[in-house]
Amino acid sequence: EVQVVETGGGLIQPGGSLRLSCAASGFIVSSNCMNWVRQAPGKGLEWVSLIYSGGSTYYADSVKGRFTISRDDSKNTLYLRMNSLRAADTAVYYCARGAERHSYYYMDVWGKGTTVTVSS
Amino acid sequence: DIQMTQSPSSVSASVGDRVTITCRASQGINIWLAWFQQKPGKAPNLLIYAASSLQSGVPSRFSGSGSGTDFTLTISSLQPEDFATYYCQQANSFPLTFGGGTKVESK
Repeated sequence: EVQVVETGGGLIQPGGSLRLSCAASGFIVSSNCMNWVRQAPGKGLEWVSLIYSGGSTYYADSVKGRFTISRDDSKNTLYLRMNSLRAADTAVYYCARGAERHSYYYMDVWGKGTTVTVSS
Repeated sequence: DIQMTQSPSSVSASVGDRVTITCRASQGINIWLAWFQQKPGKAPNLLIYAASSLQSGVPSRFSGSGSGTDFTLTISSLQPEDFATYYCQQANSFPLTFGGGTKVESK
């Protein structure tokens, strides 16, 4: 079965750091485009970051310079390193595979999410 | 950045109704648009990609249309399991952006 499972969320103080993990099964992370998307409490969806199979990475302006997307091919796992966390980063963080359709990518497999709460 | 504007923000409908949701991009995105359904406490689910292509496993009562800046998602006959929030998302350029969502509620 194709699925992803996010872990690593929790309560963290402002200014702190956290690393989220997204373990994939049923497909190879390094052969796919992968995304992080977040949803603040009661709010809509916000794209956070993307890594292509070739390794190119992209970020939302709101996290650029603070968050880093990466992957470990040996563990078939995607990561999101989050530094200098702010209250505004409080959200459920989803990992989503980007499936290629007509040379563009659409998020077709999502995890259940992991909750990050930034508060003192 | 490309802004995605959905309307209405909420709609009240009954089972069997035809429901239409619109999404407007602040600049042309060709057909590079997706629609997602999200139920409370759950992850989003891809319904439509490339504006009008139905994702595998999605019921045929869902359809999408449009190109350029104006897009629509139509549910031809609303079913009880369709009460949810729907989001559009442009895949044309970075940063990827979502619409604000449309909540489909029971009348």
